[in-house]
Amino acid sequence: AQKITQTQPGMFVQEKEAVTLDCTYDTSDPSYGLFWYKQPSSGEMIFLIYQGSYDQQNATEGRYSLNFQKARKSANLVISASQLGDSAMYFCAMTPWGYGQNFVFGPGTRLSVLP
Amino acid sequence: NAGVTQTPKFRILKIGQSMTLQCTQDMNHNYMYWYRQDPGMGLKLIYYSVGAGITDKGEVPNGYNVSRSTTEDFPLRLELAAPSQTSVYFCASSYSAGARGNEKLFFGSGTQLSVL
Repeated sequence: AQKITQTQPGMFVQEKEAVTLDCTYDTSDPSYGLFWYKQPSSGEMIFLIYQGSYDQQNATEGRYSLNFQKARKSANLVISASQLGDSAMYFCAMTPWGYGQNFVFGPGTRLSVLP
Repeated sequence: NAGVTQTPKFRILKIGQSMTLQCTQDMNHNYMYWYRQDPGMGLKLIYYSVGAGITDKGEVPNGYNVSRSTTEDFPLRLELAAPSQTSVYFCASSYSAGARGNEKLFFGSGTQLSVL
């Protein structure tokens, strides 16, 4: 069974600074995908970034990057140049390849961006 | 593009009542899912479907039922509602579960359900 741990219930960051949201995972599957989703106060789930377990390079999507350390089983999300609109809940999630039904989410980290 | 559409957005039920949460996707996705999100928590899988006519239980299926008669629709049925089912419910879909990069979940906007 997979498990996602997000040890930071809440984080604060000053506007325009970078912030790292931690995510560690546990799985016995050799092939898997890691995801980050953003949930603003309006409630919708917004896909941010994806990293495959065999990817050699860390994924990047605009101001989002994923610091993937496979040996440590960590997949931290880095947000550069934080904006007020980044204030939201952030969920780390994973699924093994070929088994979409095992899409597991972490408990989330609430990020607050301060002006 | 409509994507994943959930109805209703809000609902209040009395204990013991039943209701169906509707979910429709227009992306021709094979995989569909129902999650619940309790306050301050992550998402827990209730049921999922890998195609029309095929459904299976997730982590927290008790008190719920699903059906998948078409590729587009995946309704969630609550029988004999209980206060423990007060939650936000999300329907999601994905193209496949095997192709690398295609497992991304597309979510509906959620249904906030209160059982009083």
